[in-house]
Amino acid sequence: EAQVTQNPRYLITVTGKKLTVTCSQNMNHEYMSWYRQDPGLGLRQIYYSMNVEVTDKGDVPEGYKVSRKEKRNFPLILESPSPNQTSLYFCASSFTGRNEQFFGPGTRLTVL
Amino acid sequence: GENVEQHPSTLSVQEGDSAVIKCTYSDSASNYFPWYKQELGKRPQLIIDIRSNVGEKKDQRIAVTLNKTAKHFSLHITETQPEDSAVYFCAASGDTGNQFYFGTGTSLTVIP
Repeated sequence: EAQVTQNPRYLITVTGKKLTVTCSQNMNHEYMSWYRQDPGLGLRQIYYSMNVEVTDKGDVPEGYKVSRKEKRNFPLILESPSPNQTSLYFCASSFTGRNEQFFGPGTRLTVL
Repeated sequence: GENVEQHPSTLSVQEGDSAVIKCTYSDSASNYFPWYKQELGKRPQLIIDIRSNVGEKKDQRIAVTLNKTAKHFSLHITETQPEDSAVYFCAASGDTGNQFYFGTGTSLTVIP
């Protein structure tokens, strides 16, 4: 089944404790992206990747890191999480930037 | 960067009536405009998209129109049904087509 998976789905952590949210797709998509969703603000892009080893900042990259060592995986790293990073995070993938993006199920992160 | 504004933020219609959601964008170089539907607790899913070389696109009860001169695009849903109730997001691709800017969403309620 073609899909985008994210783990974990829910995470409660404390300020400053490094964490990684994994994202994986099995559709051989070149483009992958991370978004955060906050009430009243819609979806905001954090980072995106055009292909392996090619990543770039989105609209709200501060406090986040990404890597794209394999085509199927695009992990999101928060090296020192802060409470303002409490949010719902979505990973998405598509063949190219100008095609339908398939979203993962979301990761709800709470930073205390 | 691109700025996408979406109106209205909430919309209630009677079943069978039409619903229209409007978005404006600021970057005239943007060339791809998708619309996503997000049901409560679910991930966003593409419902229709349009590219800048097309003025209108239709898929059954859903249509999107694009006015490049005025830099706005609209989603039209005809013969609304209760299952159309969801949050709808517009987006614009920006000048490179790789960075995405979403509107803040419209919560549509279809009253039976």
